[in-house]
Amino acid sequence: AQSVTQLDSQVPVFEEAPVELRCNYSSSVSVYLFWYVQYPNQGLQLLLKYLSGSTLVESINGFEAEFNKSQTSFHLRKPSVHISDTAEYFCAVSERSGGYQKVTFGIGTKLQVIP
Amino acid sequence: EPEVTQTPSHQVTQMGQEVILRCVPISNHLYFYWYRQILGQKVEFLVSFYNNEISEKSEIFDDQFSVERPDGSNFTLKIRSTKLEDSAMYFCASTGTEGNTIYFGEGSWLTVV
Repeated sequence: AQSVTQLDSQVPVFEEAPVELRCNYSSSVSVYLFWYVQYPNQGLQLLLKYLSGSTLVESINGFEAEFNKSQTSFHLRKPSVHISDTAEYFCAVSERSGGYQKVTFGIGTKLQVIP
Repeated sequence: EPEVTQTPSHQVTQMGQEVILRCVPISNHLYFYWYRQILGQKVEFLVSFYNNEISEKSEIFDDQFSVERPDGSNFTLKIRSTKLEDSAMYFCASTGTEGNTIYFGEGSWLTVV
């Protein structure tokens, strides 16, 4: 069975400061890793994903995450946050099994950007 | 970019009533899923569907729930007799044969009163 741990339920950070949202996972097989963002009263949007290859993946809005196999982590970072980044961020893991994907989500981290 | 669409976006229903949530997965996808997020909690897997049958379901997916692909494009989740604790955001999702990314819909908010 797979699981995801997001250690911080809420992260307040000042605008233009850097932020790191932590995510650790456990699985007995190879996995895909994802970060999803959920803005207030909206659905889940895929922010970025690690499938294979380079361990550093980036999103179009300045977030990046690094897959660390030895530490089973996939932390999300941004060097300078904006007010518009205020949202809840979910780390997720999916075991590889052909076309079938069963995604397990972490409990989420609420990022609050303070002006 | 192709997307998963869900209707309705919001529904309020009385306890004990039947509810059907509808989803149109991405057209060439073969695997379909329903997930649920109770307010303030994490997103939880409900059920997966492949080749016109349920491939996996969670403990949450009891006899009150059913899924169907009635016409080759829609994928529905039916709750037979809603309870207050069924109030949640329900997400539909789908994956294709390459299966490396699961695409979620915008969700359907269900409020049971």
